[in-house]
Amino acid sequence: QSALTQSASVSGSPGQSITISCTGTSSDVGGYNYVSWYQQHPGKAPKIVIYEVSNRPSGVSNRFSGSKSGNTASLTISGLQAEDEADYYCFSYTSSNTLVFGGGTKLTVL
Amino acid sequence: EVQLVESGGGLVQPGGSLRLSCAVSGFTFSSLWMTWVRQAPGKGLEWVANIKHDGSEKYHVDSVKGRFTISRDNAKNSLFLQMNSLRVEDTAVYYCTRRAWTLDYWGQGTLVTVSS
Repeated sequence: QSALTQSASVSGSPGQSITISCTGTSSDVGGYNYVSWYQQHPGKAPKIVIYEVSNRPSGVSNRFSGSKSGNTASLTISGLQAEDEADYYCFSYTSSNTLVFGGGTKLTVL
Repeated sequence: EVQLVESGGGLVQPGGSLRLSCAVSGFTFSSLWMTWVRQAPGKGLEWVANIKHDGSEKYHVDSVKGRFTISRDNAKNSLFLQMNSLRVEDTAVYYCTRRAWTLDYWGQGTLVTVSS
């Protein structure tokens, strides 16, 4: 049950696009389309922004998109806004019937 | 409106026990998987356990197996986490969340502090 691998931090200027990657194995990210992404602002509960790899929940901005290739899932945020500054976590189902989060990525909007 | 409200957190000594509760409303609790997630101070999210809608399947992260048990009472729309043999490293905010691999609603969390 090792955590999925995410880069510790990423940054971008307002209006730019950024991509956060999440690398696992064929036993988790690569084996199932049950990858989701969560946004967490300081002191707040996480909020889902993408589910099942590329689906966006109702109410989430279409600036958020998700994809997967092999054992790596990605979250892309386009048209960066100041309010996007937060921590982002990926989450995947695993072959052991358990689930695992990524280590988290801190997004800074410059 | 979907609501998840955790309770039961607090300060406990190492080796002690706590029982967390999560009262839910706004959806058919008995139809959905439920999950506990925790977050140690300044750290990332960690999946702790989940339970099938009827309680027939339960899964726990290795680090809590044999010490924590997830359960539910569908008649009372409540989710529980019984935590025994608590360790300092179990100190965290514990979140109650809806569903299994798509955690679409979260409570505000309850803080558990394990310290002597």
